[in-house]
Amino acid sequence: AQSVTQLGSHVSVSEGALVLLRCNYSSSVPPYLFWYVQYPNQGLQLLLKYTTGATLVKGINGFEAEFKKSETSFHLTKPSAHMSDAAEYFCAVSDPGGSYIPTFGRGTSLIVHP
Amino acid sequence: SAVISQKPSRDICQRGTSLTIQCQVDSQVTMMFWYRQQPGQSLTLIATANQGSEATYESGFVIDKFPISRPNLTFSTLTVSNMSPEDSSIYLCSVGAATGEAFFGQGTRLTVV
Repeated sequence: AQSVTQLGSHVSVSEGALVLLRCNYSSSVPPYLFWYVQYPNQGLQLLLKYTTGATLVKGINGFEAEFKKSETSFHLTKPSAHMSDAAEYFCAVSDPGGSYIPTFGRGTSLIVHP
Repeated sequence: SAVISQKPSRDICQRGTSLTIQCQVDSQVTMMFWYRQQPGQSLTLIATANQGSEATYESGFVIDKFPISRPNLTFSTLTVSNMSPEDSSIYLCSVGAATGEAFFGQGTRLTVV
């Protein structure tokens, strides 16, 4: 069974500040890991994914995440927040040897102050 | 990536009625799913829509309440039956890729009054 824990239901940053959204997972096998973003009144959009290979993955809109197996983490970062980054962010995990159906975390709402 | 069109985008419905949500994909896909996202919550998988056979429902969801059709590899419908205010949610259609990521439609925002 897989699970995802996102620490902090809300994260508030100032425009230009570092964004750090935390995600820890539980999986019995090496997982596939994802970050999705949901803007108001829209569906989910894939930001980035880790499957195999390089543990630091870069995504759209300047976001990146690092897979740390020893810490079972996949935190999302962005060096400088923009107002347009305000959205809901979901971390997800799937089992590459199983059904591929992702399990989602509860989400973190990113608030960006001017 | 697949392009997923979902409609209606939103609706306000009377309790006791039913709403059918349509999901059209621009390419043939094997895996197609329906999720519910309750206000301020994460995504909960309702069922996997199987082409040519009955949908596979997750614990807590039943066919009588959420009948699903999948007539071909590009289309599916989800019906929310005998609605109550507790059914007010965002319903999302999703397709899966072989590399594990999911692609989503824009969602249907349902309000039951």
